[in-house]
Amino acid sequence: DAGVIQSPRHEVTEMGQEVTLRCKPISGHNSLFWYRQTMMRGLELLIYFNNNVPIDDSGMPEDRFSAKMPNASFSTLKIQPSEPRDSAVYFCASSQKPSGGLGNEQFFGPGTRLTVL
Amino acid sequence: AQSVTQPDIHITVSEGASLELRCNYSYGATPYLFWYVQSPGQGLQLLLKYFSGDTLVQGIKGFEAEFKRSQSSFNLRKPSVHWSDAAEYFCAVGPRSNDYKLSFGAGTTVTVRA
Repeated sequence: DAGVIQSPRHEVTEMGQEVTLRCKPISGHNSLFWYRQTMMRGLELLIYFNNNVPIDDSGMPEDRFSAKMPNASFSTLKIQPSEPRDSAVYFCASSQKPSGGLGNEQFFGPGTRLTVL
Repeated sequence: AQSVTQPDIHITVSEGASLELRCNYSYGATPYLFWYVQSPGQGLQLLLKYFSGDTLVQGIKGFEAEFKRSQSSFNLRKPSVHWSDAAEYFCAVGPRSNDYKLSFGAGTTVTVRA
C-alpha cells in the first residue's frame, strides 16, 4: 500500500503567485481531509470531502483558498493569490468508513511544506 | 464545543526512563480517541486508538494508553523510552457519528536525552 501521496513535498513561491497542492488518497478510502500546520495555530482542518463531495469547508481561511476532488483518487488545494502568511505545512489525510459507520482513523500523507516569499 | 487539551508542551526524558503524556478532552459524549506521532519532517502516524471495550489500549512501538471516562482523559504511556521516540505527539478525538472530523490537541514535543 503506497499510503497517501502528496506533491510537491516542498514549494517555494513568491507572493501573488498561484499554488496548487496535490493529493492522492489511499485506494478505497472515501473521505479526504486537508489540514494546515503552523507553529502558531497547530493543526487546523481546512476542508474535508466524503465520496468526493465537500462536506465541511468552514476551516478554509478565505476565498483565496479552494479545494476540489474531481474523482476518488485525486484532490487539489489551490491558493490564489498566495501570501507570506500562507507559509505552512499542508497535510492531506484519508479515511475509510467501515461498515456500521464506526471509527474514523485518518491516514496522513507526508505533507507539503509551502514557503511564500 | 469539543476541545482537546495536552497540558505539556515539551517533555524531556532520559533514554530508558518511562514516559507519560497527558490528554484531556471536553466532549458531549464519549468520543473516539487517538494518539498520533509526528517525527520531524514527516506526516502523522497513528499510534493507537480507542473505540470501545478494554480501556487500556495497546499500540505500536510499545505505547499504550488508558481511557478514563471519569477524568475525561486518555493518557499515553511507554515504560522505557528509546532515542527514536523523540517526536511530537498529538491526541485527537472524533465523534461517534457520521461526522469524520477530528479535533487535535496542540501537541507535546518529546526530547530524549542519552
